[in-house]
Amino acid sequence: GESVGLHLPTLSVQEGDNSIINCAYSNSASDYFIWYKQESGKGPQFIIDIRSNMDKRQGQRVTVLLNKTVKHLSLQIAATQPGDSAVYFCAEKTSGGSYIPTFGRGTSLIVHP
Amino acid sequence: KAGVTQTPRYLIKTRGQQVTLSCSPISGHRSVSWYQQTPGQGLQFLFEYFSETQRNKGNFPGRFSGRQFSNSRSEMNVSTLELGDSALYLCASSLGPIGTDTQYFGPGTRLTVL
Repeated sequence: GESVGLHLPTLSVQEGDNSIINCAYSNSASDYFIWYKQESGKGPQFIIDIRSNMDKRQGQRVTVLLNKTVKHLSLQIAATQPGDSAVYFCAEKTSGGSYIPTFGRGTSLIVHP
Repeated sequence: KAGVTQTPRYLIKTRGQQVTLSCSPISGHRSVSWYQQTPGQGLQFLFEYFSETQRNKGNFPGRFSGRQFSNSRSEMNVSTLELGDSALYLCASSLGPIGTDTQYFGPGTRLTVL
């Protein structure tokens, strides 16, 4: 789910499909992760979070998976709907000391009706 | 309950000027943090205030400053504006400090520097 320059990775899916959005993090000391959704013209919206002592956490239609071995985070959206179209990005917090959140660049999800 | 509000929503300034942005958190929230979002750099943390004290600061020059009032409302100031300061400035509030509670973002202030 990381981008280079101005171009965000884009995931296009059909309504009703399941979507998987990925995020790689760099700091093995990170212990708290959050997924956000940002619709055009709006601020980011919290979706789901997970702590490093968990591998999986489920919410309503969303599941976050954490693989600490390869420092990878994924967001699964079940039965994707047109209203899910937005930019999704992950944030990480490093354990200990002050919390300065670090955000991924994001992935643009486009849901076709 | 009203969400996080930011004023103004849009702002146009010229290089060298200064600007003050305002953020009103959700009622009862004591933490306010500020972020800069640009197409090139993405979302970057500026600073966090909790109970009128700056807790954390991101990697931005001293031209960027902020403060928080006793009612938890916060202001962010950018002095000597540069073209590269053009961005969407977001604030977020939470009950406790960052990392302890869910953050709720405002709609942002779109700053354009000419």
